[in-house]
Amino acid sequence: KQEVTQIPAALSVPEGENLVLNCSFTDSAIYNLQWFRQDPGKGLTSLLLIQSSQREQTSGRLNASLDKSSGRSTLYIAASQPGDSATYLCAVRRNYGQNFVFGPGTRLSVLP
Amino acid sequence: DTEVTQTPKHLVMGMTNKKSLKCEQHMGHRAMYWYKQKAKKPPELMFVYSYEKLSINESVPSRFSPECPNSSLLNLHLHALQPEDSALYLCASSPGTGGRRGYEQYFGPGTRLTVT
Repeated sequence: KQEVTQIPAALSVPEGENLVLNCSFTDSAIYNLQWFRQDPGKGLTSLLLIQSSQREQTSGRLNASLDKSSGRSTLYIAASQPGDSATYLCAVRRNYGQNFVFGPGTRLSVLP
Repeated sequence: DTEVTQTPKHLVMGMTNKKSLKCEQHMGHRAMYWYKQKAKKPPELMFVYSYEKLSINESVPSRFSPECPNSSLLNLHLHALQPEDSALYLCASSPGTGGRRGYEQYFGPGTRLTVT
């Protein structure tokens, strides 16, 4: 059974810092991994999707990497801003089946 | 149009009521999903529809009844719910045809359900 964990559970940083969020999964037989952000009481916004054959994806100040063999992905946020404050979730899709397994999320606060 | 819409935004219902949640997308996606999310927890998958057929039911109680009338629309019918069913209900869709972005999920804003 696929299990997904995220470290840290919560993070508070001053504005302008670069930061790294971690996602680990137990079964490396994945099809892809998707990073989302969620603002309180809202839906999920897709940030980056990494296919199992890819090593990284970039979008603006965000960079996500994937090391399938070690069961890890990182989300790097450059020059953090208060507007980045949200919960960040990673989700892993298995090779077979249509469902994602979500990690518990990292709650990020960027202080002005 | 890259949006998934959900109605209503908020719903309060008694345990004897029957209500429905609605989800719509016009991106031509062929897979649609219902998730339940409790406070400070990740979303939990409930149902998956693929090409308008139910493909996954994650052992959800029968008081939740999904329906996919067409490829753009997904409903969740609610009946005889319990207070512990209070949660944020999220709908998502994906192209569903494999390939590079086939399973990328797009989420709606959710319906906040309170059962009294």
